[in-house]
Amino acid sequence: AQSVAQPEDQVNVAEGNPLTVKCTYSVSGNPYLFWYVQYPNRGLQFLLKYITGDNLVKGSYGFEAEFNKSQTSFHLKKPSALVSDSALYFCAVRDIYSGAGSYQLTFGKGTKLSVIP
Amino acid sequence: EPEVTQTPSHQVTQMGQEVILRCVPISNHLYFYWYRQILGQKVEFLVSFYNNEISEKSEIFDDQFSVERPDGSNFTLKIRSTKLEDSAMYFCASSEAAGQPYEQYFGPGTRLTVT
Repeated sequence: AQSVAQPEDQVNVAEGNPLTVKCTYSVSGNPYLFWYVQYPNRGLQFLLKYITGDNLVKGSYGFEAEFNKSQTSFHLKKPSALVSDSALYFCAVRDIYSGAGSYQLTFGKGTKLSVIP
Repeated sequence: EPEVTQTPSHQVTQMGQEVILRCVPISNHLYFYWYRQILGQKVEFLVSFYNNEISEKSEIFDDQFSVERPDGSNFTLKIRSTKLEDSAMYFCASSEAAGQPYEQYFGPGTRLTVT
């Protein structure tokens, strides 16, 4: 079974400072990893994904994430936070060996990011 | 930019009533999904749908649930006889394909409240 943990319910960071939102995963095989963001009254918006290759993945709005296989982590990062980054962030995983016809994503509980002006 | 849309945004129903949640996936997408999020809990997979049939479903998706693509654009989730524990935010999603790890695009959700 696949699972995702986001150990922090909330992260507070000052505007202009770097931010990190943590995610660890568990799969039986190799993972496909995703980050989504949810703004109030909006759906989940795709930010970035890791499939294979370079461990540092760049995505939308200046976000990036680093895949670390030994630590089974996929932390989301941004060098300089903006107030407009304040939102709910979800990490998700799919096991590439989950079987034919199995494309479901398993989500973490979400981390609320607050960027303080 | 194309978006997944969902209607209604909020549905209030009485226990035991049937509800239909509607979604319009992105037009060239082939795979469709429903997820739900009970308040304060994780987003959970319900069902995936491809080529007019269910390709996968979770334990949550019991006989009270059904999905349908009644025409070329809509994708619906029906709950036959709602229970209090069905109260949740329901998200529809679609993806271009599924064999490759295509990202799923989500709609804004329908908040279902069962009283």
